[in-house]
Amino acid sequence: ETGVTQSPTHLIKTRGQQVTLRCSSQSGHNTVSWYQQALGQGPQFIFQYYREEENGRGNFPPRFSGLQFPNYSSELNVNALELDDSALYLCASSRDTTNTEAFFGQGTRLTVV
Amino acid sequence: AQSVTQLGSHVSVSEGALVLLRCNYSSSVPPYLFWYVQYPNQGLQLLLKYTTGATLVKGINGFEAEFKKSETSFHLTKPSAHMSDAAEYFCAVTPNTNAGKSTFGDGTTLTVKP
Repeated sequence: ETGVTQSPTHLIKTRGQQVTLRCSSQSGHNTVSWYQQALGQGPQFIFQYYREEENGRGNFPPRFSGLQFPNYSSELNVNALELDDSALYLCASSRDTTNTEAFFGQGTRLTVV
Repeated sequence: AQSVTQLGSHVSVSEGALVLLRCNYSSSVPPYLFWYVQYPNQGLQLLLKYTTGATLVKGINGFEAEFKKSETSFHLTKPSAHMSDAAEYFCAVTPNTNAGKSTFGDGTTLTVKP
């Protein structure tokens, strides 16, 4: 049972706009990671949050930002959307940063036109 | 830094045949290795993982994988394919126990023919 939920499931945005994606982590998990999965590629690590603090970042520009709330849910914000931002965005939660299991949500499909 | 190479972006097998999906990794430290499956319009589901200890790892749905340090490989196998195995499979690596910071391969799409 994953228990990780993401919203919305799909959305379409216009180039230059801003978007916020949301993730509710599994009960008892304090660590949330975000990934971008472009069509035909594997997921790429964007960043991770642990107890409301950023705990590592992949090779993504600063217009990708995030938040983690006291209940350990999380947001991914992307500013100044570009066409190449079109992808499936996945959220994964873990019990903590030393856990070898990450549970993935179903993702948010973002299309930038 | 870590990297993963999955050889063969598409693999097609007949129902009942052996499934072999290849994964090679690069890691400067002893790796933790994972296989995930992704069905259409769904997230990733963990099939199995290698952390330490026994190099032959058994997972869900009859899959298993063997960690071979000398070959830097972690190939996924299943003796007999089922139609329900058709999906995309991803190999991933982390340098430590933080599974949330995994580096993924580009995936292999498995097709199962009746």
